[in-house]
Amino acid sequence: KAGVTQTPRYLIKTRGQQVTLSCSPISGHRSVSWYQQTPGQGLQFLFEYFSETQRNKGNFPGRFSGRQFSNSRSEMNVSTLELGDSALYLCASSLEAGPGETQYFGPGTRLLVL
Amino acid sequence: DQQVKQNSPSLSVQEGRISILNCDYTNSMFDYFLWYKKYPAEGPTFLISISSIKDKNEDGRFTVFLNKSAKHLSLHIVPSQPGDSAVYFCAGGLYNFNKFYFGSGTKLNVKP
Repeated sequence: KAGVTQTPRYLIKTRGQQVTLSCSPISGHRSVSWYQQTPGQGLQFLFEYFSETQRNKGNFPGRFSGRQFSNSRSEMNVSTLELGDSALYLCASSLEAGPGETQYFGPGTRLLVL
Repeated sequence: DQQVKQNSPSLSVQEGRISILNCDYTNSMFDYFLWYKKYPAEGPTFLISISSIKDKNEDGRFTVFLNKSAKHLSLHIVPSQPGDSAVYFCAGGLYNFNKFYFGSGTKLNVKP
């Protein structure tokens, strides 16, 4: 079974631009979560989607948004990019959104904002 | 404010010895904890978890200990192997909400 895939793997943008990242979960998984990883901050939870609905949201500004499609694929959008948005963005999928579901992570998209 | 902290950014251990990775959390409501391992250029992979109703969970060479009163958990790897060299993240959260907070990671280097 194929793992979680994320595209693109690397991205360079300039301040003020916007970016869209894509995540394809493991086949059959219906929950997708997004995380931001920066040096020294660890993984910070962005949001979780299940059945096209946002279930949970972390403490990020409204510039960060996401959506999930009927096939469970998810996209994350960051508008008006700032230098501090440079990070590794990880997506994770799980079968359900229920308690304690094991999450399987993708390799991440590394975003550099210049 | 980080709710889960890993105060040691790195750890070096000799092959065959025990590796102990530590993690502290601030939210006493957290009732579920996980450890993930991450190799370079790959996403984290789930390693082991523990519920707050237990104080120990074991899976092969990996054992996680939970001390609720101290809000502290640790991951023991015995014996350590060079293939265990990776960054280890601990995470804590509320089981029913499936929302977890991660530490900043500890880079483990197991020397042959």
